[in-house]
Parts: sequence; structure tokens; C-alpha cells
Amino acid sequence: EIVMTQSPATLSVSPGERATLSCRASQSVSSNLAWYQQKPGQAPRLLIYGASTRATGIPARFSGSGSGTEFTLTISSLQSEDFAVYYCQQYNNWYTFGQGTKLEIK
Amino acid sequence: QVQLVESGGGVVQPGRSLRLSCAASGFTFSSYGMHWVRQAPGKGLEWVAVIWYDGSNKYYADSVKGRFTISRDNSKNTLYLQMNSLRAEDTAVYYCARDDGYCSGGSCYSWFDPWGQGTLVTVSS
Repeated sequence: EIVMTQSPATLSVSPGERATLSCRASQSVSSNLAWYQQKPGQAPRLLIYGASTRATGIPARFSGSGSGTEFTLTISSLQSEDFAVYYCQQYNNWYTFGQGTKLEIK
Repeated sequence: QVQLVESGGGVVQPGRSLRLSCAASGFTFSSYGMHWVRQAPGKGLEWVAVIWYDGSNKYYADSVKGRFTISRDNSKNTLYLQMNSLRAEDTAVYYCARDDGYCSGGSCYSWFDPWGQGTLVTVSS
């Protein structure tokens, strides 16, 4: 099983600032990586697939990068609605998720 | 618009069974693979099972293999998850999600979009 490790577990950032979330795979997943956002009491929402392609309707302030085993989700200028938990997921070999990064208001 | 609505959750005793449903609308259900994903209270996401668009192939996480069965009725635009021999560790919100992605070199790679709102299953005596 491919293990996905996200860091940090919690990230405190002020509105308007940039947030950088990391995700590492235990073996190469090529570019078969997605990012999801989950707010309390809601289902996850797809943000990014193919490591760097924004899903339909996702604002341009969200960007993804990386390939192989190291990936990054960047939110360029945090809005109030962006504070949530973010999960990475590999789909190169079945499906596994990271444990999540909670993005909180500083 | 695309919508997935789960139902069938509830409280069940260990060892008993439960069947979840996921009603799909707003897209051609019979053209898409479908997944179940679960989330234990306060925990992360765990993929449970996938079924191909025509029901011809089904795959499961090791944690549920032999106990859970995924199925679909394309005439009713509905996905199911039959859960038998339930355990306390099966307690979770269960989400259905549409498969989206691509195939290349004989393999297919898919992400999940969209997701339903989830239904809570609590296994407790």
C-alpha cells in the first residue's frame, strides 16, 4: 500500500497570506495525485487532479505542483472560506489518502 | 446539476447487516464507475470499494473484503453497499463518489468528483 504523509498537521495562516501544504508518497505515484478540501459537516470537494489541474469552478488562487513522491498545494491569498481540512490522495495504485492538514486562521 | 444522495445509515449492533444506497441524478449514471469512501469520526478518509460503470468489475479495500458488497442498478440510477458482519471499527460516515479520470496503457487512473453528503453508520451494542 502506498502511504501518503501530509505536513504540517495544522497550519496557522492569516487571511490574505499564502499557504503551502505538503504531501509525500511512500513510492512514486507519477502525477496521479488529487487534492480535496473538506469543511466541517460537509463532504470533500475536489480541488486539484493530475497534481496540477484545477477542477471545474476552483479559483485560480489554488495551485498544485509536484510529481513522483513530493507534492504541494499552494493557496496564494487566503480567503475566509479557505480555512478547512485538506487531503491529498494518490490514485496511481488503488487509492490512499493522506491524514489531512487543518488550515486554521492565525 | 450532478447530485449524489446517500441513505440507509443508522445504528446497528455488531455482527448485523446494513445496506446503504446512493441515488444519482444530473448525469448519465450508467457511464461512470462509482466508489464508496468512509470517514470514521474525527479521522481521515478511507477508500472502501469501486464498481465499474456496467457492474462488471468490483474491488474492495482489504478492511472490508469478504464482508461488504458493492452493486448498482443502472435502471434506477442507484449505487448500493451491502455491509455484513459489521464491526465497531466500521463506524463512519459513508460517502459515495463518482469516478472520474482516464485510461492509459491498459490501466485506468481516477479521482473522485463529486461526492454525496454522506450517511452515518454507527456500529454499537
